[in-house]
Amino acid sequence: DIQMTQSPSTLSASVGDRVTITCRASQSISSYLAWYQQKPGKAPKLLIYKASTLEGAVPSRFSGSGSGTEFTLTISSLQPDDFATYYCQQYNSYSPTFGQGTKVEIK
Amino acid sequence: EVQLVESGGGLIQPGGSLRLSCVASGFTFTSYAMSWVRQAPGKGLEWVSTISGGGGGSYYADALKGRFTISRDNSKNTLYLQMNSLRAEDTAIYYCALPLENSGSYYVFDSWGQGTQATVSS
Repeated sequence: DIQMTQSPSTLSASVGDRVTITCRASQSISSYLAWYQQKPGKAPKLLIYKASTLEGAVPSRFSGSGSGTEFTLTISSLQPDDFATYYCQQYNSYSPTFGQGTKVEIK
Repeated sequence: EVQLVESGGGLIQPGGSLRLSCVASGFTFTSYAMSWVRQAPGKGLEWVSTISGGGGGSYYADALKGRFTISRDNSKNTLYLQMNSLRAEDTAIYYCALPLENSGSYYVFDSWGQGTQATVSS
């Protein structure tokens, strides 16, 4: 299986901060990477797929980049609604795998 | 509006079996692959299994092959997960998930149910 490693595991930030989360794959996954946001007690929500394509009504302050083995999720100006846990997920193989998650906390 | 409603979770003893269901509405069920994704308490997300729209193809996480079986009844718009020989480490919320149309993949999960809790404990 392809291993996905996110960093950091926890991130403390303030409203208005620019936030970057990194996701590394154990082998190349081209651009087959998605990002999800999950809030406590809720199902995950798809934010980005194909590394950089924003899903539906996701705010433009979210952006994704990268290809191969290294990817980033950036929130340009953190809003109160963005405090949550974020997961990357590769779907390059028939066995998709998720990163361990990055919790974005209020500083 | 897409709706996915899971049921069938509960408390089960180690070695027991459980069948989860997910009733879908708001889209043409037979046209889409469907998946199960689980989340152990306080842990991350883990893909469990996927089945094609017609039911002819199914895929499993390696660690679960042989114990879990995914199926679907397209006449009832319902997805199932039969879980046998359950272990404590199978304790999790189980979500059913629908892929994003036009993503080109079964595995970009756009719509999720609310989840059903399965707890394996004596």
